[in-house]
Amino acid sequence: DSGVTQTPKHLITATGQRVTLRCSPRSGDLSVYWYQQSLDQGLQFLIQYYNGEERAKGNILERFSAQQFPDLHSELNLSSLELGDSALYFCASSVGSGIAKNIQYFGAGTRLSVL
Amino acid sequence: ILNVEQSPQSLHVQEGDSTNFTCSFPSSNFYALHWYRWETAKSPEALFVMTLNGDEKKKGRISATLNTKEGYSYLYIKGSQPEDSATYLCASRVDSNYQLIWGAGTKLIIKP
Repeated sequence: DSGVTQTPKHLITATGQRVTLRCSPRSGDLSVYWYQQSLDQGLQFLIQYYNGEERAKGNILERFSAQQFPDLHSELNLSSLELGDSALYFCASSVGSGIAKNIQYFGAGTRLSVL
Repeated sequence: ILNVEQSPQSLHVQEGDSTNFTCSFPSSNFYALHWYRWETAKSPEALFVMTLNGDEKKKGRISATLNTKEGYSYLYIKGSQPEDSATYLCASRVDSNYQLIWGAGTKLIIKP
């Protein structure tokens, strides 16, 4: 158990809908990262937050947004969902930001199916 | 565009054999190189983080080396066991951005 909690584990929804994925980082970790893994694709970095502030942005669509709350949990909001958004979404956390040896600890992922 | 390349894409190895695979990364502005192990139906777990040229890390039968001048890292597995079957990911932080740039992974399958 990595200590990173993601909910829900599975989510089935329809095109055009909006969903929210939730992540609770390990105790003491200030950074949260969101990744997308589509079928037969590697990990695609979406966005990073550090202590409530956006720190780095990857290939995140404009329909997607995220935030990190004062208690350090994070939410990833996906709107106007399309079939191609079906994927496994991982959250990871690490102690800090900008530290070279910053190991990321991954949650179990949320499997999103858009029908 | 910064790319991290891993080869081979997949590898079948007989149980008991040793194997190795490669991660290539941009050598300029290098900060750190991470190796993660990702078993099917689980989430990635960190194996090693290396920062210095010539670094070598070892964890049981798995070891890794780092060459920051030429931009590559090798992961070695000695005496492969079925439980070593997984996708091995490397990721590099190569500039002042905070995110890791991930390779596509090497999928290792150990044949009994």
